[in-house]
Amino acid sequence: ETGVTQTPRHLVMGMTNKKSLKCEQHLGHNAMYWYKQSAKKPLELMFVYNFKEQTENNSVPSRFSPECPNSSHLFLHLHTLQPEDSALYLCASSQDEGSGSHEQYFGPGTRLTVT
Amino acid sequence: GQNIDQPTEMTATEGAIVQINCTYQTSGFNGLFWYQQHAGEAPTFLSYNVLDGLEEKGRFSSFLSRSKGYSYLLLKELQMKDSASYLCAVRDTDYKLSFGAGTTVTVRA
Repeated sequence: ETGVTQTPRHLVMGMTNKKSLKCEQHLGHNAMYWYKQSAKKPLELMFVYNFKEQTENNSVPSRFSPECPNSSHLFLHLHTLQPEDSALYLCASSQDEGSGSHEQYFGPGTRLTVT
Repeated sequence: GQNIDQPTEMTATEGAIVQINCTYQTSGFNGLFWYQQHAGEAPTFLSYNVLDGLEEKGRFSSFLSRSKGYSYLLLKELQMKDSASYLCAVRDTDYKLSFGAGTTVTVRA
């Protein structure tokens, strides 16, 4: 495996379910990110982890809970979601959260539908 | 916070040139990125500007004017595979990226 992988690629869940999204990066990076992408809207930054420490929680509702057990893995735990949470959830990684051309590498995303 | 504007859609002919503009208003600036995103795929990095001027990378070039809060992405010798969404993103002094809504470019034969 190379780059940034995400599982599952598609997820349909009811509002009372609990599920988790998984992200893994094989690039040796130290920073990982969760973004939400809704149709015709800008990518929204949700969470940032730098060297396994959370450095950003962008006013995200508590029904989204991130976990970063090590610098290669990132999870997003979901519970009691709302239909408006249906979107593409993208994971990204970068060398670290700093200056320079430290571009972010994105995974393919999880298409989430909340019914 | 950041306010980033770019056109919603652009159409051009194969072989032509298209320029995608991006304007931004920021509370802090630490670099501007352009990403390409094909439908159903992950965004991929195209270019990075932190100083004023033009950065050229093959058929793609990106320009930045910090005093005007303005950037553009220039796509030359358009190919059908260039049909995609192009995202402008500004990094602030806290190293966080804010994205524009993206410009969908359609290349016609």
